[in-house]
Formats: sequence, structure tokens, C-alpha cells
Amino acid sequence: AQKVTQAQTEISVVEKEDVTLDCVYETRDTTYYLFWYKQPPSGELVFLIRRNSFDEQNEISGRYSWNFQKSTSSFNFTITASQVVDSAVYFCALGSSGTYKYIFGTGTRLKVLA
Amino acid sequence: NAGVTQTPKFQVLKTGQSMTLQCAQDMNHEYMSWYRQDPGMGLRLIHYSVGAGITDQGEVPNGYNVSRSTTEDFPLRLLSAAPSQTSVYFCASSYSRQGSDEKLFFGSGTQLSVL
Repeated sequence: AQKVTQAQTEISVVEKEDVTLDCVYETRDTTYYLFWYKQPPSGELVFLIRRNSFDEQNEISGRYSWNFQKSTSSFNFTITASQVVDSAVYFCALGSSGTYKYIFGTGTRLKVLA
Repeated sequence: NAGVTQTPKFQVLKTGQSMTLQCAQDMNHEYMSWYRQDPGMGLRLIHYSVGAGITDQGEVPNGYNVSRSTTEDFPLRLLSAAPSQTSVYFCASSYSRQGSDEKLFFGSGTQLSVL
């Protein structure tokens, strides 16, 4: 069975601190896809990144970086020098090539305090 | 480019009433899906479709029906609403699962309250 676990329900940090959001996944598929989505207070879901299972390269985009480790089935997300605008709920998701289902974690609410 | 359009944005129903949540996309996406979002539960898949005439159940399909008569539209029907269906509903679509740039595009959501 596929599963995505985001153990951190809520995290509060002070502006300019670095913060890492954890994501652990379970799947028996050899080819799969991992995603991060952001849901700001306005409620829409914003795509941040997609990573394929055969590509373990870490990625950096501005203040955002992602660490994908197949050995630990983790796809963690780090925000460097956090800002108030980063306050949102962040979802990790898993999709497999063998099915057409995307499974989401329960989300981590990040609060960045000024 | 409108993307994924959901209507209505808000809806209040009485127990036992029926209604249809509308979802349309203008990106020629093959894959469309419905999720519900509840506090502490994340996004749970209700139903999905991989093309016109093809639908399948997700994690929480009970109480909901779908059909896909066109590529563009994927309505979600509640035949007899129950308070347990109070939730925020999101429609999402994507290109073929085989595409290298496949990702879900979401609508803006429908907040449904069943009294």
C-alpha cells in the first residue's frame, strides 16, 4: 500500500530561521513521483516541485531546497531564511507509474513569526 | 487561460439534499480527480478519471458519484448529502501520467456545509 507520512503537524519559527519539513513515503512501485504543494491561507494549492524516483539529485530553488533519499524513503523540504509569506500548509504527495492515484500526506502547517 | 474551474465556491445543503459540484479544465488534460480536505486528514482522493468514459474510485468514494462524458468536464454528485460530507472539495487535473512534466493542477476549491 502507498502511504505518505508528515509527522510534523505544526511548526513555528521566527523569521529568518531555517526550517525543514519532513516527508516519509511508502510504496512498492519501482517508478514513482514525489511532489510538494503549498496551501497559503487563501486556500489554493500551489505546485512547488516534482521529483522522479530515478532522479535522486537534490534541488535548490532560491530559498527552497529538497533532499530526496531513497535509502530512507524521505523527501524533505527546507526553507532557508524563512519569511512571513512562507506561512502556509505544506503537503507532500506520492504518485506511482502503475496507478493513477496521488496520495497526499496530512500536511504540515508552518507559521513564520515576524 | 482559465486552468481548472470549480463551481460553486460555497454551498450549504440540508441533510438528504442532492447537488453537483462542477469542474472544468481547458488544458486538454486526460487525468481529472476529486479530493476532499478535512482538518488533520490532508487531501483524500474521492474519484478519478483517466479519460472520457473512464472513472475509478479513490480512497473515500462512498456517497459520491462521478461521470466523464467529455475531456473537459468532471462533475461530482452528492445524491443524498450527509453531515459527514461537510468538507472542502478540490478538483485537480494533469496531463497523461506518462508525461515528464506531469503534475496536478488544482481548482480553487468548494467549501460545502451539510446541516
